[in-house]
Amino acid sequence: ETGVTQTPRHLVMGMTNKKSLKCEQHLGHNAMYWYKQSAKKPLELMFVYSLEERVENNSVPSRFSPECPNSSHLFLHLHTLQPEDSALYLCASTQGHQTGDTEAFFGQGTRLTVV
Amino acid sequence: AQRVTQPEKLLSVFKGAPVELKCNYSYSGSPELFWYVQYSRQRLQLLLRHISRESIKGFTADLNKGETSFHLKKPFAQEEDSAMYYCALNVKAAGNKLTFGGGTRVLVKP
Repeated sequence: ETGVTQTPRHLVMGMTNKKSLKCEQHLGHNAMYWYKQSAKKPLELMFVYSLEERVENNSVPSRFSPECPNSSHLFLHLHTLQPEDSALYLCASTQGHQTGDTEAFFGQGTRLTVV
Repeated sequence: AQRVTQPEKLLSVFKGAPVELKCNYSYSGSPELFWYVQYSRQRLQLLLRHISRESIKGFTADLNKGETSFHLKKPFAQEEDSAMYYCALNVKAAGNKLTFGGGTRVLVKP
């Protein structure tokens, strides 16, 4: 599949579970992002990676742990989450973090429910 | 800090009627403004950006720095325009990262 792919599409997890969200982009982009979309809030930027290096952590709790092993893959490791963390998690990529075209390409998102 | 405000959560119009989605931003420098759209069961995607100054799917948006606005307009709405629309701001000097508004749901009725 071309573009940005996220797996799984849906995830239900208990508060004591550990799970990971995966994002993969086939666009040759160098920057990748995690956004959170809650029911009653605007899309919020969580993390920014540029060339596999984390360049921004937007005051996200440590129970969310990102990982970027290469410029095509981005993970979000989850542990001991709270019910209020239930949301749609969107991955996006751009050509570069401070260079290149600024158009962001989004994945379909992972709908996370914490029970 | 940057902020984007979309005052309308829902706009309901009849087919063929004009539609205008409001977007206001707060940023003291020179931002890049975008409109992103999410159709039903599709991913969020770019609709248009202010620097291109072009019409996409009949939509236009003009950046008004004096009013700090970037309203999206279409003179004749179509049913396929029904979607969720997000206004977004990027401060390139701070790295490509988007600040989104809360979104406006547009419903075009036949």
